[in-house]
Amino acid sequence: GAGVSQSPSNKVTEKGKDVELRCDPISGHTALYWYRQSLGQGLEFLIYFQGNSAPDKSGLPSDRFSAERTGGSVSTLTIQRTQQEDSAVYLCASSLRGRGRRTDTQYFGPGTRLTVL
Amino acid sequence: GDSVTQMEGPVTLSEEAFLTINCTYTATGYPSLFWYVQYPGEGLQLLLKATKADDKGSNKGFEATYRKETTSFHLEKGSVQVSDSAVYFCALSDQDTGNQFYFGTGTSLTVIP
Repeated sequence: GAGVSQSPSNKVTEKGKDVELRCDPISGHTALYWYRQSLGQGLEFLIYFQGNSAPDKSGLPSDRFSAERTGGSVSTLTIQRTQQEDSAVYLCASSLRGRGRRTDTQYFGPGTRLTVL
Repeated sequence: GDSVTQMEGPVTLSEEAFLTINCTYTATGYPSLFWYVQYPGEGLQLLLKATKADDKGSNKGFEATYRKETTSFHLEKGSVQVSDSAVYFCALSDQDTGNQFYFGTGTSLTVIP
């Protein structure tokens, strides 16, 4: 597609429920990143995919968070048993080559605003 | 480790005022430097970038020069408009750390008519 897309754009859920957030990267981009942006905060790195594998999961805040990527394209971020502190905007980005390569630029999607009641 | 420090906001300016948002960095290697902009309700958009020392990135009237001697990449615009109201993020990508991106905390800019 023309840009990175994310769905849903907004998600309101109840505490304890599971949610799935989807990211469609730019076609042909091998690298995909998830970030979290809490109100008034900067970007918090969550996980990085190169192809379908995730060499860096260091930012996932707890084992309630997981992500997968299939076909080197679409990625899903899953949050189990959501808590109120999970409320944030979840941003996805993709880049052409990813880490360990020459200068690369990340392109961001519009984000999913998650609200946990 | 690598990091980015940018000027804290919020910043409020009148239309046509001069804008500077300071950004300094720490990196082990020779990073590429970026400014991203986030308009209200939207995701981050790349505003400009510079990949080596003394390069100047520019876009939409904004400029930033990669200064290795001062480890800085300050964002400037000569005459801001109301439509420039947004949050601005400075970022670096360092090949020595596998091109991991490091973002500053963001600076909120509000331009009033």
